Amino acid sequence: SQKIEQNSEALNIQEGKTATLTCNYTNYSPAYLQWYRQDPGRGPVFLLLIRENEKEKRKERLKVTFDTTLKQSLFHITASQPADSATYLCARDDMRFGAGTRLTVKP
Amino acid sequence: DAGVIQSPRHEVTEMGQEVTLRCKPISGHDYLFWYRQTMMRGLELLIYFNNNVPIDDSGMPEDRFSAKMPNASFSTLKIQPSEPRDSAVYFCASSLVVRDAYGYTFGSGTRLTVV
Repeated sequence: SQKIEQNSEALNIQEGKTATLTCNYTNYSPAYLQWYRQDPGRGPVFLLLIRENEKEKRKERLKVTFDTTLKQSLFHITASQPADSATYLCARDDMRFGAGTRLTVKP
Repeated sequence: DAGVIQSPRHEVTEMGQEVTLRCKPISGHDYLFWYRQTMMRGLELLIYFNNNVPIDDSGMPEDRFSAKMPNASFSTLKIQPSEPRDSAVYFCASSLVVRDAYGYTFGSGTRLTVV
């Protein structure tokens, strides 16, 4: 079956470090992947989209990579801050979402 | 723009009752999506519309669920009769186009509790 999986349910890191979240897909070749942030009690908020012909996309402290060989996207937050604590979701181009990774950045 | 507006924010109802959730998408957005989020199943796509026409309803769990979009500025998701397992947060999202760099804009959700 077609799946989109986010490897870690939760990730705890120290402030200032780089957080790396993983999104893997199987039996499917998306034309693009999206990353969203969701805070408790709120709807997901769109962060970045990366297309299959793009290796890397950046936005301020955020960086996303797309490896079609590994069928994987990595989402990085550099110089992480406690305010970055949230759940991060990846989504395929058919609007299906992964389960999300809950990131906690400790001061 | 006020964003995607959902109502009500919270709904508590008894099993067997009809529930109607409402959504007003962003003006000019041609796509509207309904999602359901639970701890167990995550964020699930239920149905989406393009220019008010349902395109994919394969995620609608069963016949008790129905969705309509009578015009470009309004959509409803109805559950009749409701069951405790329908308890979840229901999100509406809209988008100008799909496969676009701007992603989808979500509403704040409706938390449904069926007792």
